[in-house]
Amino acid sequence: AQTVTQSQPEMSVQEAETVTLSCTYDTSESDYYLFWYKQPPSRQMILVIRQEAYKQQNATENRFSVNFQKAAKSFSLKISDSQLGDAAMYFCAYRSPLTGTASKLTFGTGTRLQVTL
Amino acid sequence: DTAVSQTPKYLVTQMGNDKSIKCEQNLGHDTMYWYKQDSKKFLKIMFSYNNKELIINETVPNRFSPKSPDKAHLNLHINSLELGDSAVYFCASSQEGHSYEQYFGPGTRLTVT
Repeated sequence: AQTVTQSQPEMSVQEAETVTLSCTYDTSESDYYLFWYKQPPSRQMILVIRQEAYKQQNATENRFSVNFQKAAKSFSLKISDSQLGDAAMYFCAYRSPLTGTASKLTFGTGTRLQVTL
Repeated sequence: DTAVSQTPKYLVTQMGNDKSIKCEQNLGHDTMYWYKQDSKKFLKIMFSYNNKELIINETVPNRFSPKSPDKAHLNLHINSLELGDSAVYFCASSQEGHSYEQYFGPGTRLTVT
């Protein structure tokens, strides 16, 4: 079974600075999908970024980018030019490319990001 | 237009009661899910339906029963509610074989007293 580990329960960053959130996972599959979701205090789960394991290029979405290291099974999220609105819980998630019972997302335990002035 | 909606957003009820949470998606997706987020914020899959067929049924008490009347709707019925059922329940949907992203509803905070 796949597992996802987020070793940083809490992180803090100053506004306009850069922060990196860590995520490691364990899988025996060679192809899969990885996601970062953001959960602000409103509790809505918002997809931030996704990465397909077969793509070597790291995904980027505006100020958000990932460092995907397939061999190390590492998938970190970098937030540049942090803004107050980035304060939230961030969840790393794994998804198998298989359908059926494998279609679920497996989440890490989350990292709470605080943004200070 | 809301993509994935859930009703109600808040639900406060007493132990022993039966309650339902409804979910609807207008994205045309063929797969829907129920996740539970506990008090420590941990998210775990409960059920999944693909085209009205149950495909995932994790280790969940049989007091929880999902129902999918059509592929745009997935409801969750909970019998004989217990204190430990207090949590946030999220509905999500995806289109299999497409982007594999799951889109979440706003969540339903269930409080059992």
